[in-house]
Amino acid sequence: DTGVSQNPRHKITKRGQNVTFRCDPISEHNRLYWYRQTLGQGPEFLTYFQNEAQLEKSRLLSDRFSAERPKGSFSTLEIQRTEQGDSAMYLCASSIGQPEAFFGQGTRLTVV
Amino acid sequence: QKEVEQDPGPLSVPEGAIVSLNCTYSNSAFQYFMWYRQYSRKGPELLMYTYSSGNKEDGRFTAQVDKSSKYISLFIRDSQPSDSATYLCAMTQETSGSRLTFGEGTQLTVNP
Repeated sequence: DTGVSQNPRHKITKRGQNVTFRCDPISEHNRLYWYRQTLGQGPEFLTYFQNEAQLEKSRLLSDRFSAERPKGSFSTLEIQRTEQGDSAMYLCASSIGQPEAFFGQGTRLTVV
Repeated sequence: QKEVEQDPGPLSVPEGAIVSLNCTYSNSAFQYFMWYRQYSRKGPELLMYTYSSGNKEDGRFTAQVDKSSKYISLFIRDSQPSDSATYLCAMTQETSGSRLTFGEGTQLTVNP
């Protein structure tokens, strides 16, 4: 499968715990995006990388959220001190410098 | 006011019907327009991509963009039960790829 891969697919965590998600983009795609989607809503932009550089962050990305893309390959999104409001689907997408982006299957986070 | 408005539905049609899905937007800088299909608990799947005003056809799907009215549409001909999903419009300003701004999605059910 050469699509965008996200792990884990599901994560249940207790409030206050830290979680980390991983995204492996399509090979050779230089741009990688993170979005968050809550039930009944469209995806909302969080941040994006061009190669290893984080070029834009949404104001939705509070200081509890951090994303990295070491060496411009896979990316991780970490949420510290999770809150119930963080429960959502976290989507990763990649592109190769064209407007359309290709999404992974997402990581569904439930904070209890 | 949201930058992209999309009627959330739900929309229910009989098999074989023509479906019309629509979005309006307020940011005149948007130039690239996409439609994604999202099945329950899955990531969005790119269906159509259009640039500026005009029509684009791909099989049973036709995408229309009217920049003067800030209005985009997706038509599905001969709808099938397998078309039952949430349809998301998305748009962006930049050719090199940047954040996508999504509508909230329209939930479509095609009844056999």
